Order: sequence, then C-alpha cells, then structure tokens
Amino acid sequence: EAEVAQSPRYKITEKSQAVAFWCDPISGHATLYWYRQILGQGPELLVQFQDESVVDDSQLPKDRFSAERLKGVDSTLKIQPAELGDSAMYLCASSLALAGGLNEQFFGPGTRLTVL
Amino acid sequence: AQKVTQAQTEISVVEKEDVTLDCVYETRDTTYYLFWYKQPPSGELVFLIRRNSFDEQNEISGRYSWNFQKSTSSFNFTITASQVVDSAVYFCALSELYLQGAQKLVFGQGTRLTINP
Repeated sequence: EAEVAQSPRYKITEKSQAVAFWCDPISGHATLYWYRQILGQGPELLVQFQDESVVDDSQLPKDRFSAERLKGVDSTLKIQPAELGDSAMYLCASSLALAGGLNEQFFGPGTRLTVL
Repeated sequence: AQKVTQAQTEISVVEKEDVTLDCVYETRDTTYYLFWYKQPPSGELVFLIRRNSFDEQNEISGRYSWNFQKSTSSFNFTITASQVVDSAVYFCALSELYLQGAQKLVFGQGTRLTINP
C-alpha cells in the first residue's frame, strides 16, 4: 500500500542550529502539504504545494523556515536557526489534486523535533 | 474564519462501553467538508471519514458511526463497544476552500480517548 514517507522520524537539536525534514508523497499526488502540530493541539498548515509551485505559505515563518519541492515530487522543509518554540511534530501529507475538499489527504508518520 | 471545537480534551472509559466524541464547527461557506482522523501513539494521522455539507445522512462503519447535524453545526463520532485498540487522539477537521480551489484542513484540538481493559 502506498504511503507518505518522512525522515527522520525523530530529531533532537540545539537552538540556533539548522534542521531539515524530508517528505516523499504518494506517487502521482500533485498536492503536498506541511503541517506543524504542537503537543496537545491539532495540526496547522505551514505550506502547500501544487506540483513544484507554492500555493500557500502564508503561515510559514519565512524568517527562519523554508520549503521547496524542486521537481514536484519530494519536498524538504528547513528551519534555520531553530528556536525552542519550534519543538513540535512536523507532518507531511499529500493528495491527488487541488480539487477543494474532494480529495483525502494522506499523512506521513511525521518528524518529531525537539529543540534544546 | 473557519473553526473547529472539540470540547472534550480527554475521555476515559472501560472497554465495551460506548463513547461519543463531540465536534462543533463554524464556517460561512455553504459548501464544505468535514473529516475525522485518528492519531495513534505512532503519530500518523489515519483518515476515518469524509462528509460533505450536502449529505446529512448518518454513516455507520462497523463499530463506528457519525452523526452530522447542520442545524447545530455538529459532526459527532460514536464508537460502540469500545476496544483497547481504539485508544488514540481523535481529530475533527473542516475543509476550507480558498485560493483558486485549494483546500486547507482546519483541525480541532483533538480528544484523547483512553479505553481501559
């Protein structure tokens, strides 16, 4: 069964360091999402791609966060420099197309980031 | 703006009891979608159900059932004869349409369900 892959599963870093997360969506899924889930809360969308283009990055803290999907397949989310408040689960999801509510988003296992 | 409220932060029941998870939503859209996801300790969000705003029929899938009432803006989830494997955090979510038909899921805070043997 096709799955969304993410790595690493866990990451511990010190503040001011750079971290990067990788996501490989389900094959054929044009839309890719990065969510951040703070402990005890629901996921919140950070950035959304349609193929290689950014559809929405309005919630991405662009002073320290960046995201790319250069070939429209896998994606990387980077934080530089990491801050204590960035400790969270980072979830990647993908769906078939930008069809507004009709397509289920499939989620990966997430990367749990701890900033010390 | 869209909002999803799950007032129950934690629920704990004994195995085989029935349990209902509440979800109340706010939206100005006439067309929207509601979802329930399960998040086990492993962290992955598992899709359970999708319901569009024009379909108010209740749905049953095995021990799971969902009650959608537009009049009260609620989309409640009931587990019948609960099992220990049902222990997880459950999220209700609302699909917000914006930016040329793009979809964004707005999640509630989640309800942590513990089923005790």
